[in-house]
Amino acid sequence: NAGVMQNPRHLVRRRGQEARLRCSPMKGHSHVYWYRQLPEEGLKFMVYLQKENIIDESGMPKERFSAEFPKEGPSILRIQQVVRGDSAAYFCASSPPSGNTDTQYFGPGTRLTVL
Amino acid sequence: SQKIEQNSEALNIQEGKTATLTCNYTNYSPAYLQWYRQDPGRGPVFLLLIRENEKEKRKERLKVTFDTTLKQSLFHITASQPADSATYLCALPTGSSNTGKLIFGQGTTLQVKP
Repeated sequence: NAGVMQNPRHLVRRRGQEARLRCSPMKGHSHVYWYRQLPEEGLKFMVYLQKENIIDESGMPKERFSAEFPKEGPSILRIQQVVRGDSAAYFCASSPPSGNTDTQYFGPGTRLTVL
Repeated sequence: SQKIEQNSEALNIQEGKTATLTCNYTNYSPAYLQWYRQDPGRGPVFLLLIRENEKEKRKERLKVTFDTTLKQSLFHITASQPADSATYLCALPTGSSNTGKLIFGQGTTLQVKP
């Protein structure tokens, strides 16, 4: 059973460009979470999604950031007009369907560098 | 506001000894608490979950305690090995019930010397 997959593992963008980060949850998991880890800081929750629904986006910056989890395909975290402060490791996690969301399984992360 | 604190200083111990890491929280009454391990350049790996009605939980060489009165969890690794060297994160659920949203502590880095 493959774990949570994220791609790309490393992404370099220039200021003003768009960054798209992809996450494929574990097989059978219908809940996806995105976290950001800034250098020398802890993991910060960004957004929680189920298929075609955003459940909790309280950790998402109000502008430039969006997330989706379509019926088919991976979850996407999109950052428009990136700035240097967006440089961080972005982790995706998934958990099984309702009733067992306690344990989250993390992917390897995407390290975004904004030049 | 809700806050989680872990000892930010690295913990250095000798192989074979027991490592004890601390997680304290404030302004919060979580239904459970989790511990994760994170190696450099990798995602966190789930280790243990302990619920509010459990005092202690064990898994192989790992032991977690949860004191809801003190608002503290202790994480022990017995007979530590150099391979246990990593950063250990404490996490608590927040938001409305069962949303799965976690808040993490800063993590404590453990270094086990052979």
